[in-house]
Amino acid sequence: NAGVMQNPRHLVRRRGQEARLRCSPMKGHSHVYWYRQLPEEGLKFMVYLQKENIIDESGMPKERFSAEFPKEGPSILRIQQVVRGDSAAYFCASSPPLEGEAFFGQGTRLTVV
Amino acid sequence: QKEVEQNSGPLSVPEGAIASLNCTYSDRGSQSFFWYRQYSGKSPELIMSIYSNGDKEDGRFTAQLNKASQYVSLLIRDSQPSDSATYLCAVNRNTGFQKLVFGTGTRLLVSP
Repeated sequence: NAGVMQNPRHLVRRRGQEARLRCSPMKGHSHVYWYRQLPEEGLKFMVYLQKENIIDESGMPKERFSAEFPKEGPSILRIQQVVRGDSAAYFCASSPPLEGEAFFGQGTRLTVV
Repeated sequence: QKEVEQNSGPLSVPEGAIASLNCTYSDRGSQSFFWYRQYSGKSPELIMSIYSNGDKEDGRFTAQLNKASQYVSLLIRDSQPSDSATYLCAVNRNTGFQKLVFGTGTRLLVSP
C-alpha cells in the first residue's frame, strides 16, 4: 500500500513562472490537506479538499494560489507567477473518509530563483 | 500571541535520559492534540494523539494534556540518538485531522 505520493520532490522555478505540485493520496483516502513549511517555521495549513470539493481554503493566499482535487487523478496545488517568498516545502497529507490519522507525503521543495 | 507555542530548543539530553517537550496553545476550543516527529528534510510523522485530560502512554512516549492550563507535553523515556529530530505540536478545534495548527517545533538532540 503506497503512501502519500508527491511530485516533484524538488522544483525550481524562475520568478513569474507557474508551479504545479501534485499529490496522490493513500489508497482509500478521500481527504487531502496541503501545508506549507517555511524555513525555521512550523507547518501552515493552506487548504482542505475532498474529491471535487474545496472544504476549507482559509489558509490559501487570496491571489496566485489555487488547489483542486478532481474526481480522477491527483490533487494539484498551483502557484501562478511565483515570487521568491513562495520558496518553501509544500506538504500534502491525506486521511480516510471517516475520522482517522492523516499521513504526510515527502513534500515538494519549491525554490524560486 | 502565537496559536501554538513551543520552545525552539535545541533541547539536549544524554542517551537514556527522559526528554520533556512542552507546548501551549491559545484556543480554548481545541479538541485534539498531536505530536509529530520530523527529521531534517523529511515529512512529519505522527507519534501521539491525545484528546482528553491526563496521560496517554505508547511505548517510550507519554503525552500529557491539561486543557485548563492549555498545555500539552510529550515525554520520551530512555531517549536514543535516533530520537534526535524536531518535534511538532499540533492542535485542532475538531476531533479529526482537519486544519491542524502547528507550532514551530522543538529540536531535540540526544547525545550518545
